[in-house]
Amino acid sequence: EVRLVVSGGGLVEPGGSLRLSCSASGFSLTNYGTSWVRQAPGKGPEWVAGMSGGGGSRYYADSAKGRFVISRDNSKNTLFLQMSSLTVEDTAVYYCVKDGLKSSGSSLYFDYWGQGMPVTVSS
Amino acid sequence: DIVMTQSPDSLAVSLGERATINCKSSQSVLYSSNNRNYLAWYQQKLGQPPKLLIYWASTRESGVPDRFSGSGSGTDFALTISSLQAEDLAVYYCQQYYTTPITFGQGTRLEIK
Repeated sequence: EVRLVVSGGGLVEPGGSLRLSCSASGFSLTNYGTSWVRQAPGKGPEWVAGMSGGGGSRYYADSAKGRFVISRDNSKNTLFLQMSSLTVEDTAVYYCVKDGLKSSGSSLYFDYWGQGMPVTVSS
Repeated sequence: DIVMTQSPDSLAVSLGERATINCKSSQSVLYSSNNRNYLAWYQQKLGQPPKLLIYWASTRESGVPDRFSGSGSGTDFALTISSLQAEDLAVYYCQQYYTTPITFGQGTRLEIK
């Protein structure tokens, strides 16, 4: 059974940093692309960053470039999102998501979503 | 960026009736080399993460009831629920994965009339 368990969210002040972790089970991160998708209150999903199954490619939304870094620990089958220079516009529920297609690349449609982790940026 | 525009924003349909949600992309999401449309549909119920319904514009995800179907090509797509059930109350999103940044439509709220 595929599971994506996210941890590390919470309340942070503007300008602060936070690292989200996504512990994956039921599949290997090295066989599937994975991404982070966020959803602000009352809004639609917004893709933030993605990494290919092979790990050689990383992709970022413009809103994340230069501030967020996606990475993973293959030995722990865990995906990370390091977020810095946070602003109130980053307040959202953050989802860890798995690609639908087994590939060393990325298919970038998502068949499994984690439970979502709230991140609140506020003073 | 590819802009995804859904219509209508909300839709009220009677139980057992057909519901159709439209999605238009600002540029084609049809990849000519494999003749595939890089378009997915998701359903999001209150308090839950989105759930994949359709990918490649018309391929139903495993376990999704066959009353859900996707159609269209190029820039114009539709999600159709052939006979609305009470459990279909949700917000529906289209998503293009033709190119990064991946983009979603603004959502269509489906209500029971």
